Amino acid sequence: ENVLTQSPGTLSLSPGERGILSCRASQSVSGNYLAWYQQKPGQAPRLLIYGASSRAAGAPDRFSGSASGTDFTLTISRLETEDVGVYYCQQYGNSPRTFGQGTKVEIK
Amino acid sequence: QVQLQQWGAGLVKPSETLSLTCAVFGGPFRGHFWTWVRQPPGKGLEWIGEINYDGAANYNPSLKSRVTISRDMSKNQLSLKLTSVTAADTAVYYCARGIAVDNWGQGTLVTVSS
Repeated sequence: ENVLTQSPGTLSLSPGERGILSCRASQSVSGNYLAWYQQKPGQAPRLLIYGASSRAAGAPDRFSGSASGTDFTLTISRLETEDVGVYYCQQYGNSPRTFGQGTKVEIK
Repeated sequence: QVQLQQWGAGLVKPSETLSLTCAVFGGPFRGHFWTWVRQPPGKGLEWIGEINYDGAANYNPSLKSRVTISRDMSKNQLSLKLTSVTAADTAVYYCARGIAVDNWGQGTLVTVSS
């Protein structure tokens, strides 16, 4: 299976700062079919990015995604306090679909 | 606005079968992949499996021998059955739309305990 490794484990940022979250796949992701989700405590995840770089409906434009080979990045251009939570990447180009272990974003 | 409403037993005894149902309201059922994901308390997300447009199911190999995902097109419902459960199956279970999931159910905490 395609193992996704996310880094860092925790990202501490001040409001307004730029944040970069990484997701590295153990093998190529077919079609760059990679998604990013945000999950807040006690809530279901929310889709932010699909197809590595397409923003989901309703996702703020401060979130953007990119890909380079088996490395994928989620960038938060200017952190807002409401962005705290855990962020997961998921590849859906290969079966079984797999999730990364998550990156926790917190306010410094 | 599509809504997914799920229900099922919140407490299941070891070795018994976990059963959950998910109803889809406010949007088409046909023409979508439907997915089940679970999350053990305090841990990350695990893909359980999906059912595609044609009704063919695809499962996580780690669960394949115990899991069944099915759908009832007449009721716009999706179901999950997981047999021979153990404490390791304790988790919040989510039904969801898509393979890049754009709509999620509210989640159901299922605890496996005698």
